[in-house]
Amino acid sequence: DAKTTQPPSMDCAEGRAANLPCNHSTISGNEYVYWYRQIHSQGPQYIIHGLKNNETNEMASLIITEDRKSSTLILPHATLRDTAVYYCILQTGTASKLTFGTGTRLQVTL
Amino acid sequence: DVKVTQSSRYLVKRTGEKVFLECVQDMDHENMFWYRQDPGLGLRLIYFSYDVKMKEKGDIPEGYSVSREKKERFSLILESASTNQTSMYLCASRRRPGRRTTIYNEQFFGPGTRLTVL
Repeated sequence: DAKTTQPPSMDCAEGRAANLPCNHSTISGNEYVYWYRQIHSQGPQYIIHGLKNNETNEMASLIITEDRKSSTLILPHATLRDTAVYYCILQTGTASKLTFGTGTRLQVTL
Repeated sequence: DVKVTQSSRYLVKRTGEKVFLECVQDMDHENMFWYRQDPGLGLRLIYFSYDVKMKEKGDIPEGYSVSREKKERFSLILESASTNQTSMYLCASRRRPGRRTTIYNEQFFGPGTRLTVL
């Protein structure tokens, strides 16, 4: 019973923006959109989260549609070190566990 | 730099052995978690701990137990290891939700322990 849908893989040229989409049409009003990534053989790493406004930090930007049914993670200038599996997750503020789907495998190439 | 460390990156054990996986965090976090990650199954929660000496079962607690005697340390125990417990084990920690913070509910993960049970 997947709550988010992501493409299984994407490619991006180094230096270009990587735009990773996520659909979450059944999102509840109290659920945040979180993004994590997992570089090969490492633990997942938090990237960014948002509720309904667009967010930006030093790693990425998060664009959430007005109806909150989809979002896009933007890595503005992808590097080879951004090659990883990116997970879009819905979570309430107090929820304990993270439920990772299969994510999007982003391959950044020269 | 905040850190979650796990005692081993790779571990090989035999069926029936008792296995201890240790996790230590230096962020004074109240909550700690143990997950396992398997291809095609994603991340699954085994146990979590709200605070010292407190524990709650996750989605797949069978065959596992945990110990949280100190705030910074959360141990996962496989009482009698079996081959179906071969997996990547990930520990995570976070602040207790509800405190004033700009990072709401973020979990910090360790590097993982890849356990093979023969």
